[in-house]
Amino acid sequence: GAVVSQHPSRVICKSGTSVKIECRSLDFQATTMFWYRQFPKQSLMLMATSNEGSKATYEQGVEKDKFLINHASLTLSTLTVTSAHPEDSSFYICSASPGTGGEKLFFGSGTQLSVL
Amino acid sequence: GQQLNQSPQSMFIQEGEDVSMNCTSSSIFNTWLWYKQEPGEGPVLLIALYKAGELTSNGRLTAQFGITRKDSFLNISASIPSDVGIYFCAGQRGRGGNKLVFGAGTILRVKS
Repeated sequence: GAVVSQHPSRVICKSGTSVKIECRSLDFQATTMFWYRQFPKQSLMLMATSNEGSKATYEQGVEKDKFLINHASLTLSTLTVTSAHPEDSSFYICSASPGTGGEKLFFGSGTQLSVL
Repeated sequence: GQQLNQSPQSMFIQEGEDVSMNCTSSSIFNTWLWYKQEPGEGPVLLIALYKAGELTSNGRLTAQFGITRKDSFLNISASIPSDVGIYFCAGQRGRGGNKLVFGAGTILRVKS
C-alpha cells in the first residue's frame, strides 16, 4: 500500500511552546490530507482537512488558531499546535489518499504529544 | 463528530477461534474500510469495499459491504496472537479523498 510518513513519532514539550508535526506522502501525491486526534482507547476524531494550496477546513469545535495547518506541496502537510497546554496532549495522526478517486486512505504512524 | 455503531466493543477469545465484528449506520455509505491499529501506531488498512454486497478477503480476513449500504462486517478466521489490536470500521460517503467516519473500535485480545 501507499506510504504516509509522519514525524516526529513522539514529542514532549513545555506548556506554552509550539510543536510542528509533519505528514508526508512518500510515493504518491495528495491534494488532500486529513488530521485526526485520538485519545487513549478511543476512536479517531477528524480535526481538519488539509487542502494543497488553500486553507484547511476545520471540523466544528476545533480551534483554527490553535491548530495551524499548512499544505504547501502535494506531498507535505504540517500541523502546528500553538501555545500547547497539557489538555492538548494526545495522539495525532494524519492520513492521505493517492490520486483522484482514491477512496483508500492511508495513515501515518502517529505522533504522541505530551505537554508538561 | 458522527460515528458508526461498531460492535462488539471488545472480545477476548481463544487462539484458533473465529471472530466477527460489525458496523452499522443510519445513513448510506459508498465505501467501507476496515483498519487495524496497534498501540502507538497509526491504523493500517486491511480491506476496502466499494460495492453493495461485495465480499472481499485478505488472507484470514473477510469483509462484506451490506446490501443496504448501511452496514459492514469483518470476520477473522482461526485467530492467532498477532491478531491482537483495535479494529476500526470506517465509512466514506463520497468518492475521491472524502473524509472518513469511524466506528468506536473493537478491541481484540487473543488467549493462546
